Amino acid sequence: DIQMTQSPSSLSASVGDRVTITCQASQDISIYLNWYQQEAGKAPRLLISDASNLETGVPSRFSGSGSGTDFTFTISSLQPEDIATYYCQQYDYPPLTFGGGTKVGIE
Amino acid sequence: QVQLQESGPGLVKPSQTLSLTCSVSGGSISSGSFYWSWIRQPAGKGLEWIGRIYNAGTTNYNPSLGSRLTISLDTSKNQLSLRLSSVTAADTAVYYCVRERSLKYYESGGNYYLIGAFDIWGQGTVVTVSS
Repeated sequence: DIQMTQSPSSLSASVGDRVTITCQASQDISIYLNWYQQEAGKAPRLLISDASNLETGVPSRFSGSGSGTDFTFTISSLQPEDIATYYCQQYDYPPLTFGGGTKVGIE
Repeated sequence: QVQLQESGPGLVKPSQTLSLTCSVSGGSISSGSFYWSWIRQPAGKGLEWIGRIYNAGTTNYNPSLGSRLTISLDTSKNQLSLRLSSVTAADTAVYYCVRERSLKYYESGGNYYLIGAFDIWGQGTVVTVSS
């Protein structure tokens, strides 16, 4: 199975700060990586597919980059409504696997 | 607008079989290049992909669940189902029904299959395994 390692597991930042989350795959997965946002008590929401393609309706302050084994998710200017847990997920090969999640809070 | 709604018992006894149904509205479960997955999340923990099915009956299961798992489609009712046998407390979780939008092919056993992103989620249903 392909293991996905996310870091940090949690972070706090101020409104307007730039926030970066990393995700590392245990083997080369090319660009086959997605990012999800999960607000408390809700189902996850797909934000980014193919490592960097923003889903329709997702604010442009969210972005993704990377390929191979190392990926980055960025919120360019943190907003109060971005408080959530973020997950990466690989789809290079089954079983589809998720990172452990990064909980983002406001200082 | 496709919507997914999970249903089933909220409490299952240890060693019994967990059975859930997902009703799909706003679109046909057998149209398009979509797989249909189940994903679960224990309280306070991360997401675990359980398995998936395609309208032709092709399935993939998480090896960690072994032979306990069966996922099926009922195209006449536009539903998919999950059966997990011999449950233990470790199976206690929120269970999500999810549509998978295909983004690429992968090869297995000389055949090619679709795989992609989970773009539409049900609201989730809580299942507790307890006597």
